[in-house]
Amino acid sequence: GIQVEQSPPDLILQEGANSTLRCNFSDSVNNLQWFHQNPWGQLINLFYIPSGTKQNGRLSATTVATERYSLLYISSSQTTDSGVYFCAVGPDYGQNFVFGPGTRLSVLP
Amino acid sequence: GAVVSQHPSRVICKSGTSVKIECRSLDFQATTMFWYRQFPKQSLMLMATSNEGSKATYEQGVEKDKFLINHASLTLSTLTVTSAHPEDSSFYICSARVVGNIQYFGAGTRLSVL
Repeated sequence: GIQVEQSPPDLILQEGANSTLRCNFSDSVNNLQWFHQNPWGQLINLFYIPSGTKQNGRLSATTVATERYSLLYISSSQTTDSGVYFCAVGPDYGQNFVFGPGTRLSVLP
Repeated sequence: GAVVSQHPSRVICKSGTSVKIECRSLDFQATTMFWYRQFPKQSLMLMATSNEGSKATYEQGVEKDKFLINHASLTLSTLTVTSAHPEDSSFYICSARVVGNIQYFGAGTRLSVL
């Protein structure tokens, strides 16, 4: 099945810093989402981005489907950005998600 | 975005008892819901796909007699952990898929079996 890798596995930032998280996948996908899991376990949808670029406030994401990777940018990080960021991909419409291992982000005040 | 409600958020039970977890789509109908399991500091692993009006599809290695799934309506799926044991302790999360193939997640249920 499809393999998903995320890097870095852990990231510690000072408040106000910028960061880039990466998601690599081993096969073509028609479905890709980025999530933030907060310290209480809630998964929050960030982006549905099987291709192209999207922005939402301090966050933006880019997926280059032909090269099988997606990037999540966090600018001017805040302590509330701490948590685990997952990307999840689906090889085809309607097929189930495969989650990456996540990037654990800690933003220090 | 769509809202998925999961209840209870936390369960502590004795070994041998059964626990039911509910997953509801509050403002939309979900023909397909998913159940995931997450161990500490690990990623989410799909357990089963729940389809309204039909039997659930279980992933390899997931015991269907241990984890009973019922999706009796377009807004409710339930996961019952039968005869729970300490090794079943985990974080269980449901999701629902909406038009456009986007998945929205419940807040999760933390199960502790003593």
